[in-house]
Amino acid sequence: EAQVTQNPRYLITVTGKKLTVTCSQNMNHEYMSWYRQDPGLGLRQIYYSMNVEVTDKGDVPEGYKVSRKEKRNFPLILESPSPNQTSLYFCASSRRYAKEETQYFGPGTRLLVL
Amino acid sequence: DQQVKQNSPSLSVQEGRISILNCDYTNSMFDYFLWYKKYPAEGPTFLISISSIKDKNEDGRFTVFLNKSAKHLSLHIVPSQPGDSAVYFCAARGFSGSARQLTFGSGTQLTVLP
Repeated sequence: EAQVTQNPRYLITVTGKKLTVTCSQNMNHEYMSWYRQDPGLGLRQIYYSMNVEVTDKGDVPEGYKVSRKEKRNFPLILESPSPNQTSLYFCASSRRYAKEETQYFGPGTRLLVL
Repeated sequence: DQQVKQNSPSLSVQEGRISILNCDYTNSMFDYFLWYKKYPAEGPTFLISISSIKDKNEDGRFTVFLNKSAKHLSLHIVPSQPGDSAVYFCAARGFSGSARQLTFGSGTQLTVLP
C-alpha cells in the first residue's frame, strides 16, 4: 500500500528538549515536504526536499532542521523546541515532475511543547 | 499576507443539496489549483485540481471552477453526502526558483446534515 508514515503521532515535550519526527514514504518519490497546520492559517510549508541531499526552506523554517540522506526518509528536527512550535505537523511526498502536484500526506503528528 | 484565502471557516448543507466552497488568491503566477479534503486524525487527501489555462474541471460529483480575472475558484459538490463532511483546503501552485510550492488556504469545515 502506497503511504507516507510519520512517527510519533502524538508527542508532549518540554521547552528545549531536542526531538525528531520521522517521515517515510514507500512510493519512490523525489519530492518531500513538511508542513505545520495552525488554526486560521491553514498548512504552511516548513522545509522541502527535491531529492537526496537537496533541501530548502519553505515559508516558516525558523527553529527547524531537516535532512535527506535517503530517498524514502525526511526527518524533521527541532533542536530546541519552544511553545510556539506547538502544532499539527504533516509530511508529504510527490513525484518531482508530477503534472498535477498530487502530494500524498502522512497522518500527522500533534506536538505540544510545554 | 495570505496569498490564498478561504473566507468561510464553516459551511452547513443539507444532504442532497449543492455545496459550494470558495477560494480567492492574489498571485497571478499560480499555474495550478488544487482542493484537498481532510478528515479528523488523518492527513489531507487530494480531491481535484485545475490548470490555470482552464475554467472548469469535473470529476464525478465534484466540479472546480476557475475565474482568473476575479482570481477566484470554487468547488461544487453535487449532491452532497454526509461522508463529504470534512475540512476542505484550497491550494495554489507557484514556483520558488526551480522548486514547486503549494500555498494553502486556511480551510473550510463542511458539514452535510442528513
